Amino acid sequence: GAVVSQHPSWVICKSGTSVKIECRSLDFQATTMFWYRQFPKQSLMLMATSNEGSKATYEQGVEKDKFLINHASLTLSTLTVTSAHPEDSSFYICSASGGAASEQYFGPGTRLTVT
Amino acid sequence: AQTVTQSQPEMSVQEAETVTLSCTYDTSESNYYLFWYKQPPSRQMILVIRQEAYKQQNATENRFSVNFQKAAKSFSLKISDSQLGDTAMYFCALNSGGSNYKLTFGKGTLLTVNP
Repeated sequence: GAVVSQHPSWVICKSGTSVKIECRSLDFQATTMFWYRQFPKQSLMLMATSNEGSKATYEQGVEKDKFLINHASLTLSTLTVTSAHPEDSSFYICSASGGAASEQYFGPGTRLTVT
Repeated sequence: AQTVTQSQPEMSVQEAETVTLSCTYDTSESNYYLFWYKQPPSRQMILVIRQEAYKQQNATENRFSVNFQKAAKSFSLKISDSQLGDTAMYFCALNSGGSNYKLTFGKGTLLTVNP
């Protein structure tokens, strides 16, 4: 149980275009989903927290207009990187929580390369 | 604010031996949760073990156990009978509760198990 999927697992896009990453909880309802960014050999950096049906809460320094997060249902959250630039290239990981258990279940991650 | 510190960037151990990874944390909350996550080369985050702060008994999961010292705010992970598959980055994480149960991660310890 508690499986989280991400799609795509790997994407290459041209500079200036937008790319959408999906995060799905497959066997539970995720009241809260989290989006992280991870640079090589570094820890996970929380970008934003989203609750179903509400606007996402962004961490300090994260551009909300660049990283659009939507959590339209209890099983799906999306991260859209708008007008991507090479510096946006990174590994993006989502996680989902059912709430009271305090435990987060992680997706397998998406490697984004912007050329 | 909550912080998590892992002071060992890299460690190595011989197969079948025991290794201990260190983690200290700081939080002003009285009830919180501590986790160790493993991130192998696939980059999938895997929960290794969790500890509720209100529980005095140290958590154990097969070959993995923790030494939780609440007064010292220390939460170390012991891996017994190390296996080659244990080679991974290990992250200590703290969840101090709140409405969204955000995780604060340490910088990680890269563990290499040598044959």
